[in-house]
Amino acid sequence: DGGITQSPKYLFRKEGQNVTLSCEQNLNHDAMYWYRQDPGQGLRLIYYSQIVNDFQKGDIAEGYSVSREKKESFPLTVTSAQKNPTAFYLCAAGDRAYSPLHFGNGTRLTVT
Amino acid sequence: AQTVTQSQPEMSVQEAETVTLSCTYDTSESDYYLFWYKQPPSRQMILVIRQEAYKQQNATENRFSVNFQKAAKSFSLKISDSQLGDAAMYFCAYRRGETSGSRLTFGEGTQLTVNP
Repeated sequence: DGGITQSPKYLFRKEGQNVTLSCEQNLNHDAMYWYRQDPGQGLRLIYYSQIVNDFQKGDIAEGYSVSREKKESFPLTVTSAQKNPTAFYLCAAGDRAYSPLHFGNGTRLTVT
Repeated sequence: AQTVTQSQPEMSVQEAETVTLSCTYDTSESDYYLFWYKQPPSRQMILVIRQEAYKQQNATENRFSVNFQKAAKSFSLKISDSQLGDAAMYFCAYRRGETSGSRLTFGEGTQLTVNP
């Protein structure tokens, strides 16, 4: 089945530690995205990549980093510089503007 | 920058009734696409309906339809014959009409409750 796989579903970390969230797609889409969702709020764009080896900051990139070494993979690292990292993180992929984005099932990150 | 506004944080509807969720957006672009996504408690993002800005005809998908007012920059979602399974968070979203890779900008969401 084609889709987007995010792992793990739940992630727990101690404050001060970096953590990497995985996102893999087999849809052959060029563009991939990371969104953050806080309780009762909409999705805010962290980073996105339109092609391999290239990515752009979204609206809330501070404290996060990404890489895009392969078309299929777009991992997100939440660094210790992120002031409030506890949130639900969604990865998405898509191509043409008229096509909807396909989303993964998300990762719930809790930092204590 | 484009912005999307959903002014109704919460809405409720009786089963089998009709409800309309509001969305406005701000853009200087002429070529763009609008979407409604549904997020049930599972938190999976599900596409409900899509509208191309160049099309005057309002999109319809079964019980879901939109009222697209381009001049007013308004994009409301109407759910007819509401069902218990329609209960979810609904997000309006905007995307520029580039060939690929353009970002999707979301509104804050409307939490819809369906009462039996």
